[in-house]
Amino acid sequence: DAKTTQPPSMDCAEGRAANLPCNHSTISGNEYVYWYRQIHSQGPQYIIHGLKNNETNEMASLIITEDRKSSTLILPHATLRDTAVYYCIVRVANTGNQFYFGTGTSLTVIP
Amino acid sequence: GAVVSQHPSRVICKSGTSVKIECRSLDFQATTMFWYRQFPKQSLMLMATSNEGSKATYEQGVEKDKFLINHASLTLSTLTVTSAHPEDSSFYICSAGGGGADTQYFGPGTRLTVL
Repeated sequence: DAKTTQPPSMDCAEGRAANLPCNHSTISGNEYVYWYRQIHSQGPQYIIHGLKNNETNEMASLIITEDRKSSTLILPHATLRDTAVYYCIVRVANTGNQFYFGTGTSLTVIP
Repeated sequence: GAVVSQHPSRVICKSGTSVKIECRSLDFQATTMFWYRQFPKQSLMLMATSNEGSKATYEQGVEKDKFLINHASLTLSTLTVTSAHPEDSSFYICSAGGGGADTQYFGPGTRLTVL
C-alpha cells in the first residue's frame, strides 16, 4: 500500500471549517483514499473514502486532486467533539485487504 | 455503519496468565478480521489477519505462539495473549469488513494491563 504524509498536528476554531491535508504521491490506480479518526481511547471511526471523484457525506467532504497525489478532508463546521487524531490511508478497496495506519494528524478544536 | 464489538473493554491480569479478547461483527458476516495493537501516543500497528476457518496471518515481528488467533465463525474472532507480561500492556483493537462494504469497521478496543 502507498504511504501517506500528514502534518502531525493542527488547530481549528470551533465553528470554522477544518481542512486536513494528506499527501499520497505514490498512490496507484486502484487504491482508494480512506479517512478515519480516533478519539482518545476509542477505536477508529470511519469518515469517508473515495477513488478520484470528490465525495461528501453527513460527516465530511473529501477533495482529491486530479492527479490523485493529494487529498483534503474537510469538516465544514468543526465542533469540540471533532478533536481527534485523523488518519489518511490509501488501500485497494477489498474487505480482505489490511489497513496500515500512519501517524495521522492530531486535530484540536479550540473554543 | 456496521457495528463491531469487543469484550472485555478493560482487563487487568497478573504476569504469566493468559487473556482472551473477543471481537464480534454484530450485523454482518466477516470472513476476514484484523487485530491491531496501540501503545500510548502511537499509531495503530497491525498484528495479524484473522481468516475464518483457516490460520491467521501474522505481521513481521509478531509472535504467533504468543498471540493466538481463532476465527471459528463468520462473526467471531478471538485473540489470546498467552503468558502475558507487563510489556504486553496495550490497547488492542479489532476490525472487520463485510456486508458488501469495501471498508473496515473497528471495535471500541480492549485495554489490557498486565501487572
